[in-house]
Amino acid sequence: AQKITQTQPGMFVQEKEAVTLDCTYDTSDPSYGLFWYKQPSSGEMIFLIYQGSYDQQNATEGRYSLNFQKARKSANLVISASQLGDSAMYFCAMREVSSGGYQKVTFGTGTKLQVIP
Amino acid sequence: EAGVAQSPRYKIIEKRQSVAFWCNPISGHATLYWYQQILGQGPKLLIQFQNNGVVDDSQLPKDRFSAERLKGVDSTLKIQPAKLEDSAVYLCASSPRAYPGTKDTQYFGPGTRLTVL
Repeated sequence: AQKITQTQPGMFVQEKEAVTLDCTYDTSDPSYGLFWYKQPSSGEMIFLIYQGSYDQQNATEGRYSLNFQKARKSANLVISASQLGDSAMYFCAMREVSSGGYQKVTFGTGTKLQVIP
Repeated sequence: EAGVAQSPRYKIIEKRQSVAFWCNPISGHATLYWYQQILGQGPKLLIQFQNNGVVDDSQLPKDRFSAERLKGVDSTLKIQPAKLEDSAVYLCASSPRAYPGTKDTQYFGPGTRLTVL
């Protein structure tokens, strides 16, 4: 089974509108972390937002918020007031404890977001 | 503070040739990761070091790939001999702690884009 699933290969959004990028995950570890990264065409991976499995509130960072639904194992990224500079690949990732006792990070396949003027 | 440095940024080689990539993590970061990112996919972990010891190399093709971390600081990743399917971006990342917690993010370098002809 896939650890991290991003079902939207590509998304379009009008400038200044909000957009939700989907992410579902699978783990039996009660302690885990969920991350979203942005990867522009230049290639660098930029950390956006983090949600811990025990966090009671949804994480927010500026225009980014994470809609965390633990029972459904989903961690969707919401970008409000989209800007042209938001056009990029977005990756969901999960950090959990491996069988070897160290933290292991697994990435999804990504969603390509294009913001339309 | 300086970020994760990688070199070269681009490399073109023919199949069966050898190639080496270099990574210098953020100063003081104990954990270092090498990822392979094939076009259109998410990063796949190749190897993870804690200080200068390997904690996960389960997805490293050991018949052709090797990596070392010198004195717990710089790292090199080598491919010998290269195959066409090795064409990808190789990302290096680091984390501050030797045993990263679930909320510890990774800091990524700019990546090395390898093309194997």
